[in-house]
Amino acid sequence: DTAVSQTPKYLVTQMGNDKSIKCEQNLGHDTMYWYKQDSKKFLKIMFSYNNKELIINETVPNRFSPKSPDKAHLNLHINSLELGDSAVYFCASTPALGTNTGELFFGEGSRLTVL
Amino acid sequence: AQSVTQLDSHVSVSEGTPVLLRCNYSSSYSPSLFWYVQHPNKGLQLLLKYTSAATLVKGINGFEAEFKKSETSFHLTKPSAHMSDAAEYFCVVSQRGYQKVTFGTGTKLQVIP
Repeated sequence: DTAVSQTPKYLVTQMGNDKSIKCEQNLGHDTMYWYKQDSKKFLKIMFSYNNKELIINETVPNRFSPKSPDKAHLNLHINSLELGDSAVYFCASTPALGTNTGELFFGEGSRLTVL
Repeated sequence: AQSVTQLDSHVSVSEGTPVLLRCNYSSSYSPSLFWYVQHPNKGLQLLLKYTSAATLVKGINGFEAEFKKSETSFHLTKPSAHMSDAAEYFCVVSQRGYQKVTFGTGTKLQVIP
């Protein structure tokens, strides 16, 4: 009974393609995130949504577009993929504003390889 | 503003010896602090958290950390390393009630048999 699930787990594609990664959480959390982890294991926040509303949008190329159809889902669509987009992308969630301690609940990650 | 510094990018210990992974933080408010562990090709798992209760926090797998406000530190320790502890460890600071979460750059723990 996975709490935060991401699909696909692995994705290999060519430069210039468009791809999507999906994330779903069954924890009833209000806030969801996308993080990018590079080859040096550094984790960088990309986006955060609170109850379907975008609240954090770090300096990310506009080829990356998050979509949150409801508060349990946060998908990431990437256009015109580049070599530098190769990374592991993590989805995470946290409980509602004002009640959360900052603890994040992570998915298993989606490893994207751009050739 | 908040930041977190993990002082060692790589730590190597022998199995059965103590583990010390160092973390210093900076925060304009009372922070929440966390340690996460990431095993190879896996997601991040919460080891322990400090959220303004007891300053000595016990986590899973025998790990603990002590919040020291005067030193702005939250070092992770374990009395005796096990081979299964080999992983990447992340120190994290956040502000309670808000979404701003800041990760350290990680410390890779190697355990030598």
